[in-house]
Amino acid sequence: NAGVTQTPKFRILKIGQSMTLQCTQDMNHNYMYWYRQDPGMGLKLIYYSVGAGITDKGEVPNGYNVSRSTTEDFPLRLELAAPSQTSVYFCASSIEGQPNEKLFFGSGTQLSVL
Amino acid sequence: AQSVTQLGSHVSVSEGALVLLRCNYSSSVPPYLFWYVQYPNQGLQLLLKYTSAATLVKGINGFEAEFKKSETSFHLTKPSAHMSDAAEYFCAVRGAAGNKLTFGGGTRVLVKP
Repeated sequence: NAGVTQTPKFRILKIGQSMTLQCTQDMNHNYMYWYRQDPGMGLKLIYYSVGAGITDKGEVPNGYNVSRSTTEDFPLRLELAAPSQTSVYFCASSIEGQPNEKLFFGSGTQLSVL
Repeated sequence: AQSVTQLGSHVSVSEGALVLLRCNYSSSVPPYLFWYVQYPNQGLQLLLKYTSAATLVKGINGFEAEFKKSETSFHLTKPSAHMSDAAEYFCAVRGAAGNKLTFGGGTRVLVKP
């Protein structure tokens, strides 16, 4: 099993450009999440999904969009990149989102907006 | 609402010394508590979790954590640090009725030879 796979690993964007961060998992997990990690701030939830066709906002959704057309894929879209979106982005998944479940994380995408 | 506070963004320990990472939480419901570890250039991995079965929880790589309700704490310890323990450690809390984790700011551990 590959687990949770994120692409690309690194990306530099110019202000105003758009891009999609890809995330796919092969564990048949229903729940998927997008987090951003900023130094000293821990991880902040951007969006999450409880199943194909269902998405919801997390703590910091502004400037981002997501879709969930399949169980496996959960792409994150940045429409107009801003310097404040410079961060490390992690995708994660879990089976059913139960309180005691662990999350499986991808290896992250380091994004710089200049 | 729930929150997590990790005291100390950086901790430096000598190889063989005790590792102690502090985590305090707030939660309006009995919490589920987790410690995750992030090695350089990798995603987070679960170290251990508390789910009310026992207050002392043992995890991987010799780590353990003790849930103290009266102190709203879930500190992580390891008796003897190894060079491979150099990483960033995150405490996280999830309320029983919710399905979203709230993370602390993280503590980066440096192990000196």
